[in-house]
Amino acid sequence: GESVGLHLPTLSVQEGDNSIINCAYSNSASDYFIWYKQESGKGPQFIIDIRSNMDKRQGQRVTVLLNKTVKHLSLQIAATQPGDSAVYFCAETSGSGYSTLTFGKGTMLLVSP
Amino acid sequence: SAVISQKPSRDICQRGTSLTIQCQVDSQVTMMFWYRQQPGQSLTLIATANQGSEATYESGFVIDKFPISRPNLTFSTLTVSNMSPEDSSIYLCSVDQGSEKLFFGSGTQLSVL
Repeated sequence: GESVGLHLPTLSVQEGDNSIINCAYSNSASDYFIWYKQESGKGPQFIIDIRSNMDKRQGQRVTVLLNKTVKHLSLQIAATQPGDSAVYFCAETSGSGYSTLTFGKGTMLLVSP
Repeated sequence: SAVISQKPSRDICQRGTSLTIQCQVDSQVTMMFWYRQQPGQSLTLIATANQGSEATYESGFVIDKFPISRPNLTFSTLTVSNMSPEDSSIYLCSVDQGSEKLFFGSGTQLSVL
């Protein structure tokens, strides 16, 4: 099947900085994208999603950007806090059931105080 | 979002034994899923737990190895049978409440010696 991948396995930032986590996908039929946060010892937690008819979606301190031309997805975290330290996964689906929900390998975000 | 309780949270098991993982949701949900997360890896769908019928397994997973029960709309179990060290993973229960967003339990950390 087609793959979803992340550019950076580890991202280290200082508290208060803005963080950007990137994700590339290869399935041009993907129409729904999700970002999950997984803290150590916990299950993935839904952060934000975006559909392919949108370029940008904002949540609380987070923004997801979708560039369908280059098949690129990013998660921006404003004013990063130590509590944001976690592994972040992107996931994508073409909407044909959960068998098509593909998770990326994850990026570890480390926030230093 | 649904509250998903998974137990045990972790276990250390001997080769050749079996472990049953329980997943309890605080509300009725149509779709329940079981995922595996191998060390340092992303999430892989094992199967969809269907209420009142046999689970639907993904490629590479079989019922004899991972029998699943779904007796009602709030509960499911996953058994990891005849375990080997290669089965050491985090096993995650997840649910969809109809919004296409998957919510996850906190996972079961399984170590097989």
